[in-house]
Amino acid sequence: DADVTQTPRNRITKTGKRIMLECSQTKGHDRMYWYRQDPGLGLQLIYYSFDVKDINKGEISDGYSVSRQAQAKFSLSLESAIPNQTALYFCATSDHGTSGGADTQYFGPGTRLTVL
Amino acid sequence: GEDVEQSLFLSVREGDSSVINCTYTDSSSTYLYWYKQEPGAGLQLLTYIFSNMDMKQDQRLTVLLNKKDKHLSLRIADTQTGDSAIYFCAVENTGFQKLVFGTGTRLLVSP
Repeated sequence: DADVTQTPRNRITKTGKRIMLECSQTKGHDRMYWYRQDPGLGLQLIYYSFDVKDINKGEISDGYSVSRQAQAKFSLSLESAIPNQTALYFCATSDHGTSGGADTQYFGPGTRLTVL
Repeated sequence: GEDVEQSLFLSVREGDSSVINCTYTDSSSTYLYWYKQEPGAGLQLLTYIFSNMDMKQDQRLTVLLNKKDKHLSLRIADTQTGDSAIYFCAVENTGFQKLVFGTGTRLLVSP
């Protein structure tokens, strides 16, 4: 079984709809992240959480919100989706400090979201 | 904030060496990373280098770090078609304890 799972894998929705993307991990990591990937722009950090009670905005948090329901679960919501939120979304976890100090991030398979 | 730049495309022939380059702005970064993204998949860590090192070799992969020029490179020896993927450079932003990713370089290996 995959260590980091994301649901759904693909989603098509309409402008103005509320969308939730879910992420679960079995790695036991405290740190979790949400990124979006756009062609030519690489990965941009949306939100990150260092533990259940610690949630922080990333570079591009406007239009997004998150919920850390448990150590293993971190969900991303688009309250009112708009077309320029069409992108590939990745969840990641981190074992920062336990691999000789390097911050190895483990990524889920991604959710392809299309907003019409 | 931190800025990490990469060229977008690189095309090589099978058996040649590939060199993917990355420049960054935060000189206080402790670790620098290379991730690989295969089609339809998430990113996977390939290798990383600690900032007090100039070079790290791991089988076909060689990472070179030039701290003075803030330049990181990844060399893949004997490149295979299975190496075709997008390669991301990432720099640890020590102030905020998170990674900043480059734009990614799409490597295409032709037979």
